[in-house]
Formats: sequence, structure tokens, C-alpha cells
Amino acid sequence: EPEVTQTPSHQVTQMGQEVILRCVPISNHLYFYWYRQILGQKVEFLVSFYNNEISEKSEIFDDQFSVERPDGSNFTLKIRSTKLEDSAMYFCASSVPIDRRGVQETQYFGPGTRLLVL
Amino acid sequence: AQKITQTQPGMFVQEKEAVTLDCTYDTSDQSYGLFWYKQPSSGEMIFLIYQGSYDEQNATEGRYSLNFQKARKSANLVISASQLGDSAMYFCAMRVYSGGYQKVTFGTGTKLQVIP
Repeated sequence: EPEVTQTPSHQVTQMGQEVILRCVPISNHLYFYWYRQILGQKVEFLVSFYNNEISEKSEIFDDQFSVERPDGSNFTLKIRSTKLEDSAMYFCASSVPIDRRGVQETQYFGPGTRLLVL
Repeated sequence: AQKITQTQPGMFVQEKEAVTLDCTYDTSDQSYGLFWYKQPSSGEMIFLIYQGSYDEQNATEGRYSLNFQKARKSANLVISASQLGDSAMYFCAMRVYSGGYQKVTFGTGTKLQVIP
């Protein structure tokens, strides 16, 4: 069964450093997402991406964040200058719209990257 | 603005019993989708079930069913015949698709513990 993969599974970085989190969505999916989950808290939406551009972003997704689909398979989240509060589990997800009214159904999540900023 | 409310931070259920996890939502959009995800202690997010706002019948997926009451804006998850492996965090989420944009909102989750 196809699945979303993410690398690395864990990353430790110094405050102020740049990190790039990588995701390989399911190959025939068209929509891509990043979420984060601070330890013990709820999952928070960061950004959605479709047709090579951001389709929606949350207030968390400020200028320090960017996303890119550099080739046909990878989907990356870059944090330019990490802060302590960026420490969280970051989930990538992908989906393909199948609802006749355009509302997407199943979103498949990757296993997550646990980011720790020191 | 969209909002998801899960009022039960934690629940216990006896193995083989059914359990209902509550979820209410708020949105002014007419077209939306409601989801439930399971997050075991290992951390991954596992999709369980989906309900579209225009679907007239309640969604079912194996032991999972979604009790969708549109007028009450509730989308409760029912797990029948609980198993020990069902112990996990459960998140209700809503996806709104409006004007070419989409927004996803998660609830705070319910921690379910199944007792042997």
C-alpha cells in the first residue's frame, strides 16, 4: 500500500539554524500539507499546497517558513531561523480530491519528523 | 472561523464494549468534511473515517462509525467492540473548502484507554 514518507525521523538543531524537513507524498496525490504537533498538544495546520503554490496557510506559517516541491516527488518544509518554540512533531500529509463537490476525503499522513531546537 | 470541540480529554472503556467520542464543530461554510484520526503512543496519525457535509448517510468503516448530526453540528465517533489496540489519542478534524482555498482545523483530542 502506498504511503507518505518523511525524512529525517528526528532532527536536533541549534536555535537560529535553518532546517529542511522532507516528505515524499503518495505519487498520484495532488494536495500536500504540513502540520505540526507540539508535545502533548493538538495537531495544528500549517500550510496546504496545490498546483505548485500555497493554497492556504495558517497564522503559524509566517515568513520563517516556506514550502517547495523541488521535483516531482519531494515536498519540503523549510524553517529559516529556528526558534525554541518550533520544537514539535511535523507531519506531512497528502490527498487527492475525490468528493464530487471538491471536498477532499482521505488525507494520508506521514510518520512525522520530530524536531528539537536547542 | 472554523472550530472543533472535543470535550472529553480522556475516556475509559471496557474491552469489547462500544464507546462514543464526542466532537462538535462550527463553521459557516456549507461544504466541509469531517475526519477522525487515531494517534497511538508511537506518534503517527492514522486516518479512520470521513464524513462529507452533503452525505446523508452516516459513514462507517469496519468497527468505526460516525454519528453525523448536521443540525446539531456534531460528528461523534463510535467504536464498537473495543480492543486493547484501540487505546490511543483520537482527533476530530474539519476541512473546509471555500473559494478555492482549504483550511483544516483539529480538535484537542480525546485519550481513550481500553481496559481488559
